[in-house]
Amino acid sequence: DTAVSQTPKYLVTQMGNDKSIKCEQNLGHDTMYWYKQDSKKFLKIMFSYNNKELIINETVPNRFSPKSPDKAHLNLHINSLELGDSAVYFCASSQAGVDEKLFFGSGTQLSVL
Amino acid sequence: GENVEQHPSTLSVQEGDSAVIKCTYSDSASNYFPWYKQELGKRPQLIIDIRSNVGEKKDQRIAVTLNKTAKHFSLHITETQPEDSAVYFCAASLPGGGNKLTFGTGTQLKVEL
Repeated sequence: DTAVSQTPKYLVTQMGNDKSIKCEQNLGHDTMYWYKQDSKKFLKIMFSYNNKELIINETVPNRFSPKSPDKAHLNLHINSLELGDSAVYFCASSQAGVDEKLFFGSGTQLSVL
Repeated sequence: GENVEQHPSTLSVQEGDSAVIKCTYSDSASNYFPWYKQELGKRPQLIIDIRSNVGEKKDQRIAVTLNKTAKHFSLHITETQPEDSAVYFCAASLPGGGNKLTFGTGTQLKVEL
């Protein structure tokens, strides 16, 4: 009964391919996020959704497209993958209006060859 | 936007000693300052947080102090143990920003026996 779960855990793919990462939370939170952690461990927000509505979009290339079918799910689709996309992608959730505590998923290690 | 600097990037201490990690932020309107711990290959997890209306907060061996005038905050770990070895991230967020956390660059803490 993992609180924030994301799949797959590892993703190895060729340049130019399209891939998706899925995230689900069972905490009843209404806000979900995608963070990117690069090889130097730097954590940077990419997107944030509140109740299926996009509220933060941090100058991410439009090859990255988040989709939130409902407030418990936030998926990330990446088109035309590039070498520089290799990183760990973390999904997270929080409850707006209560506090800002983030609960992270276990991460997806994306390797673009 | 907000900018968070974190020092040192690596910190090695003997078991039982104290460890201090420092962060500075740029936007004086920031009002929420969490600290996350990330063990190797794991997800970041919140260990303590502080709001701008509080100067200090303590939870067992961990404490955080905030100096709003100087715009810096620090994490203090006393009686360090080997299981404290991890990467620690500070972060800051502005009010009304959709809970957009800006993270510091991380501190690799190693507690040696």
